[in-house]
Amino acid sequence: EDQVTQSPEALRLQEGESSSLNCSYTVSGLRGLFWYRQDPGKGPEFLFTLYSAGEEKEKERLKATLTKKESFLHITAPKPEDSATYLCAVQARTTDKLIFGTGTRLQVFP
Amino acid sequence: GAVVSQHPSWVICKSGTSVKIECRSLDFQATTMFWYRQFPKQSLMLMATSNEGSKATYEQGVEKDKFLINHASLTLSTLTVTSAHPEDSSFYICSARPSSPTDYGYTFGSGTRLTVV
Repeated sequence: EDQVTQSPEALRLQEGESSSLNCSYTVSGLRGLFWYRQDPGKGPEFLFTLYSAGEEKEKERLKATLTKKESFLHITAPKPEDSATYLCAVQARTTDKLIFGTGTRLQVFP
Repeated sequence: GAVVSQHPSWVICKSGTSVKIECRSLDFQATTMFWYRQFPKQSLMLMATSNEGSKATYEQGVEKDKFLINHASLTLSTLTVTSAHPEDSSFYICSARPSSPTDYGYTFGSGTRLTVV
């Protein structure tokens, strides 16, 4: 069964304190792994798509990496505006569906 | 970038009435649209997948007769919650997959907060 597990559930960081969020997955043939950001009361906002192990993508203070079993979202020198829930999802080759993890609630305080 | 518009943003309805939520892809054609439900502090649970011009495919445990999905065109899908009850109160989100491949992944609407009183 395809499954996504994210850790930690919640993370509190001081502004400027870098950290990483983890997304472990099992899928029957990975088509893509997705990272989204979700603010309270809003829909998820697309961040990255990773397709194969070893791939990395960056956007501002965020960097996503992928191995055969997990993905990391590295946050460098976070700011309070980075506070949000970060969702990881996988898509298997045989389906159009995305399987989501439960997310990591990130809070960055000044 | 791909934009999905979802309306209304929030709705309050009386128990027993029906509510329709619209999901439109504004600048691309969406062969497939997805409907999710999200409870507070929980992740997105896929309810159904709709393909333009065909019947929706519902996930296990989702009542087809309660959650009616129509995908009549490549830019519009609707979710109708029929005979709503307080337990249907939730945050509903749609997403769309472009007909042509992009690197944007799946684009999500802004969500609809449904409260049934």
